[in-house]
Amino acid sequence: GENVGLHLPTLSVQEGDNSIINCAYSNSASDYFIWYKQESGKGPQFIIDIRSNMDKRQGQRVTVLLNKTVKHLSLQIAATQPGDSAVYFCAETPGGSYIPTFGRGTSLIVHP
Amino acid sequence: KAGVTQTPRYLIKTRGQQVTLSCSPISGHRSVSWYQQTPGQGLQFLFEYFSETQRNKGNFPGRFSGRQFSNSRSEMNVSTLELGDSALYLCASSLEAGGNQPQHFGDGTRLSIL
Repeated sequence: GENVGLHLPTLSVQEGDNSIINCAYSNSASDYFIWYKQESGKGPQFIIDIRSNMDKRQGQRVTVLLNKTVKHLSLQIAATQPGDSAVYFCAETPGGSYIPTFGRGTSLIVHP
Repeated sequence: KAGVTQTPRYLIKTRGQQVTLSCSPISGHRSVSWYQQTPGQGLQFLFEYFSETQRNKGNFPGRFSGRQFSNSRSEMNVSTLELGDSALYLCASSLEAGGNQPQHFGDGTRLSIL
């Protein structure tokens, strides 16, 4: 939604480049992770998820990598397009919990 | 399949008033969660309803409440509004309860407190 991009880390790329958005999570008990994309004026949209028994998962043009050792999650977007411009959030859910915790988000700007 | 629908999209209230926001989940989804989104605090979990019962609650004061109806539609109520309640309120639905599955978000209700 509007104003979500204020004070957020920003990644600026050229159309066609690959983008990597990083997320450090805090809870070692988290076993479910998810990436959302939020365009201005809209709600978050599911991109891809991964459970802690995996370290990589691929979707269409997107790949999520999970490093449990250093509690790090990344989202790779191949051949980034102007339509990929948005704020990207990671979220973690601890095992046995029903409450996801969202990261602060990264603003991705794709230049044509 | 229709997505999550939130009404109204925009709302302006004054301090001390109360407000009710509405959310219609995706057909077949039984869980509805509510979030508050602000530039300062980001996305914060308010509560989750499943089968008309509140399953989980975030760290918000009792002025924030909600309910779910038998058709899974949900409402959120905020009483005695404060300036700090100005935010985008998002509703998300999922098939089952829990934050360990994808949630489908509506486009939110933008609440402004004057």
